Amino acid sequence: LAKTTQPISMDSYEGQEVNITCSHNNIATNDYITWYQQFPSQGPRFIIQGYKTKVTNEVASLFIPADRKSSTLSLPRVSLSDTAVYYCLVNRNSGNTPLVFGKGTRLSVIA
Amino acid sequence: GAVVSQHPSWVICKSGTSVKIECRSLDFQATTMFWYRQFPKQSLMLMATSNEGSKATYEQGVEKDKFLINHASLTLSTLTVTSAHPEDSSFYICSARAGAGNTIYFGEGSWLTVV
Repeated sequence: LAKTTQPISMDSYEGQEVNITCSHNNIATNDYITWYQQFPSQGPRFIIQGYKTKVTNEVASLFIPADRKSSTLSLPRVSLSDTAVYYCLVNRNSGNTPLVFGKGTRLSVIA
Repeated sequence: GAVVSQHPSWVICKSGTSVKIECRSLDFQATTMFWYRQFPKQSLMLMATSNEGSKATYEQGVEKDKFLINHASLTLSTLTVTSAHPEDSSFYICSARAGAGNTIYFGEGSWLTVV
């Protein structure tokens, strides 16, 4: 699976939009890009998944350029409760292929 | 989204004893489940892939005789830590791939403390 690279940490004030960019240069044709959020002592929570262009749900947006070598998770108007670690992962469309985690991005939202 | 549940949420056991952690897919069938371990301030580390009705596939460096995985049904996988030692104390998390969109969902995690 393609390795992902994302910033180790980010800080933001409440109410701001936060964009976390992830690079996955060696992504394969049948790979999806998936983002998870993890709070301390909890399992990762699925945020959003996409293949190309733009995906939006009630929580976030995911922007994927045409070459799919990177992606950007956009969190609108963050609050203190969005302080967490965010993981960008490549999800191969195959039943037996697990997700392999990188270090993630630790987002700190400040009042 | 799909629900994956783990039990227990936390467990304390004595060194040398064994402890079992259950992972259930509550609203979907999972032929494959994945087990991870996470130490404080670190990322998730894949331990093994659990396949229903067959042997689990372990990652390099994970002792299969120490971390016994059983996937006896389409909704249940269990991880048994045998002869536990304090260094096995960690946060154990399972996940399963749900059908639509092939999304992987995670359980709440289980804290194991070996004293």
